[in-house]
Amino acid sequence: ETGVTQTPRHLVMGMTNKKSLKCEQHLGHNAMYWYKQSAKKPLELMFVYSLEERVENNSVPSRFSPECPNSSHLFLHLHTLQPEDSALYLCASSQEKGSYNSPLHFGNGTRLTVT
Amino acid sequence: AQSVTQPDIHITVSEGASLELRCNYSYGATPYLFWYVQSPGQGLQLLLKYFSGDTLVQGIKGFEAEFKRSQSSFNLRKPSVHWSDAAEYFCAVGLITGGGNKLTFGTGTQLKVEL
Repeated sequence: ETGVTQTPRHLVMGMTNKKSLKCEQHLGHNAMYWYKQSAKKPLELMFVYSLEERVENNSVPSRFSPECPNSSHLFLHLHTLQPEDSALYLCASSQEKGSYNSPLHFGNGTRLTVT
Repeated sequence: AQSVTQPDIHITVSEGASLELRCNYSYGATPYLFWYVQSPGQGLQLLLKYFSGDTLVQGIKGFEAEFKRSQSSFNLRKPSVHWSDAAEYFCAVGLITGGGNKLTFGTGTQLKVEL
């Protein structure tokens, strides 16, 4: 069971393509995240949106462009990617209220292959 | 900066045997600690969390973890493993403030259960 839905589940794209990953959360949370999961490496935090404002950008290349139009939706726009960008991209959400922040709830991810 | 070490990349146990997955962290303040589980093709599911208070925390699916400040450890345990527990387990440490969860994940431990 997951209250965080990611589409598509799988994506194959060439290095010159432009595509977007979509994430939608149904938990009423107000913070959303993109993580990258590559084989043999720890999960890498890419972006954090809190109350629809980007509050974290972990030195991610500009070929990745996030968008958070509202607290329920998060996009990751992709263009001119490299083969090393192939990975599982995970979306997560949490609830912020004052100094309290609920644990992350993850979606099932989008498996991206760049050819 | 915080870091997490999961020294065991792979662990194999027999069904019904006890399990302990190790996690060591490095963090300059009182940590928030988490264990997540990931089944193939799925996102990460929260097993349990430690924020403060009782150092032995109970989670879902019969898992528990003990926070030991003196050893900088947060090991995950289960007294009797079921075949369905085969998955990858991630320990995470984080700073939770307004502005989202800043979690650092370990590289994961892959658990195999022999019938």
